[in-house]
Amino acid sequence: KQEVTQIPAALSVPEGENLVLNCSFTDSAIYNLQWFRQDPGKGLTSLLLIQSSQREQTSGRLNASLDKSSGRSTLYIAASQPGDSATYLCAVEAVTDFGNEKLTFGTGTRLTIIP
Amino acid sequence: DAGITQSPRHKVTETGTPVTLRCHQTENHRYMYWYRQDPGHGLRLIHYSYGVKDTDKGEVSDGYSVSRSKTEDFLLTLESATSSQTSVYFCAISESRWTSGAGNTDTQYFGPGTRLTVL
Repeated sequence: KQEVTQIPAALSVPEGENLVLNCSFTDSAIYNLQWFRQDPGKGLTSLLLIQSSQREQTSGRLNASLDKSSGRSTLYIAASQPGDSATYLCAVEAVTDFGNEKLTFGTGTRLTIIP
Repeated sequence: DAGITQSPRHKVTETGTPVTLRCHQTENHRYMYWYRQDPGHGLRLIHYSYGVKDTDKGEVSDGYSVSRSKTEDFLLTLESATSSQTSVYFCAISESRWTSGAGNTDTQYFGPGTRLTVL
């Protein structure tokens, strides 16, 4: 059974710092890995999707990497801003025992950027 | 933002009562999903649909049923609510664009959530 772990569960950093969020997964047979952002009381917003054949994806100040063989992904946030404060979740997509694809989510890292 | 609405947004009910949550989309996406989010568990898939009248179970489907009679609507029903079903429920949609060797290249878009409390 696929398990996705995100450590730490919470992180506080001063504004302007670069930071890295970590995600690990137990089964490397994945189709893709996705990073989402969730603001308090809101739904999830997709940030980046890395296909299994890719090593990284970039969007603005965000860069996500994928090392499928080691079961790890990182989300790098450059020059952090207070507006980056949110919970960040990673999810891997794989084929289920029933032949359908599904997302398995980690429990998230709650990020606080201190002004 | 993807056109996804959920209703109601908040509901308090008593154990043993039936509850139906509605997800409505305006994107004409083929796939729709119901998740629940609980502290320490992340999001877990309850049921999903891959077309009108086509549904399948997720990892936590016991005690839930779904229906999809139109492309735009996906209903989640708790036949007899229990306190363990107190949770935040999210609907999601996707178009699931597949490319050879790369899997699904389309992400899921999430609704705002429904907070359900079962007393």
